[in-house]
Amino acid sequence: EVHLVESGGGLVQPGGSLRLSCVGTGFDVSTSYMNWVRQAPGKGLEWVSVIYSGDNTYYADSVRGRFSVSRDSSKNTLYLQMNSLRAEDTAVYYCARRYDTTGYYVYWGQGTLVTVSP
Amino acid sequence: IQLTQSPSFLSASVGDRVTITCRASLGIGSYLAWYQQKPGKPPELLIYAASTLQSGVPSRFSGGGSGTEFTLTISSLQPEDFASYYCQQLQSYPLTFGGGTKVEIK
Repeated sequence: EVHLVESGGGLVQPGGSLRLSCVGTGFDVSTSYMNWVRQAPGKGLEWVSVIYSGDNTYYADSVRGRFSVSRDSSKNTLYLQMNSLRAEDTAVYYCARRYDTTGYYVYWGQGTLVTVSP
Repeated sequence: IQLTQSPSFLSASVGDRVTITCRASLGIGSYLAWYQQKPGKPPELLIYAASTLQSGVPSRFSGGGSGTEFTLTISSLQPEDFASYYCQQLQSYPLTFGGGTKVEIK
């Protein structure tokens, strides 16, 4: 059974850094299309980044140059390194895995909350 | 690619038929998904490829459209359907979501 568990969220000051982790079970993180999606309190969903075959990556304009996505096959874990954090980065961050048969995102973690505040 | 959902808020009664619209700023073929989200939970995939029902999703949910205009229809609203709904395009990066539609009990 596919399972995703995020961790690493917390309170950080503006300008600070944080690294989120997403541990996968039941599948291989290193060969999957993996996304990060965030949701600010009371707001809608915002796509953040993707990593896929060959460790190719794409980012939303709002985080490009500040966030970096990577993965560790030995730990079956996806990461999101977040630097130069701003108040508007405050959100619940979800990792999601694409179901290869359909190409759509069936599997989601429960999310981890990042709060950027002085 | 921008996605515009309407309405952003919908008040309806159990048994009602409701339709949510998602319009794309560029043609996206059928590369569209619909999600349901309840408070404090991650999104759940309802519909993919614009009109294909995800396994395990009740048949009262249906999706339609292609190109730039898409719909999600709930044929007979049930108590467990009161939630927020989002469309997402997967035609090209950056992937984008619609602004969401909150369905509340009248």
